[in-house]
Amino acid sequence: DGGITQSPKYLFRKEGQNVTLSCEQNLNHDAMYWYRQDPGQGLRLIYYSQIVNDFQKGDIAEGYSVSREKKESFPLTVTSAQKNPTAFYLCASSSTRNQPQHFGDGTRLSIL
Amino acid sequence: GENVEQHPSTLSVQEGDSAVIKCTYSDSASNYFPWYKQELGKRPQLIIDIRSNVGEKKDQRIAVTLNKTAKHFSLHITETQPEDSAVYFCAASGNYGGSQGNLIFGKGTKLSVKP
Repeated sequence: DGGITQSPKYLFRKEGQNVTLSCEQNLNHDAMYWYRQDPGQGLRLIYYSQIVNDFQKGDIAEGYSVSREKKESFPLTVTSAQKNPTAFYLCASSSTRNQPQHFGDGTRLSIL
Repeated sequence: GENVEQHPSTLSVQEGDSAVIKCTYSDSASNYFPWYKQELGKRPQLIIDIRSNVGEKKDQRIAVTLNKTAKHFSLHITETQPEDSAVYFCAASGNYGGSQGNLIFGKGTKLSVKP
């Protein structure tokens, strides 16, 4: 799945700070997703986008924001409103909805 | 909405034995069921998937079975090897409303294969 690139690999956030996680894909996929993974938990959906300039909230969207200005890019901003942001964040894409999702290598976010 | 339960949470087998992981789902409209393998600190990788129009699918040592009536599906790994050690996630994808195609994941099974 070398076609999905997440950066940075590790990120540290200070109190009151917004941070942005990058996700880029060169698979020409229409759909993109952001998941949060906590220890011992499955993946939980934060936001998803089916097409450029459109995105929808997932199950745990509070404290997060996204944009989809280009087909290949779907950045996630973790805002200061997210009080427990420490987690492993995974970006995924699929050709269309209900097709296999392929994941990036993830970004591990911690609090300073 | 969809809910996916996965069992067991941990599984330890001897090399060469078989391993079975089971998942149940709640929404009968779900029609796509992938399985992912995640090694420590790495990305989940799709290992096999099945759609609701078939009951079983095999790929070398890995197979998935689906029972739509009972709303459960299982992953079978035969002749396990130490490199099979990882966390395995099942997921179900619905076909309903605005969340069409979204995956709901189980909480994972940590498989350990002892040499």
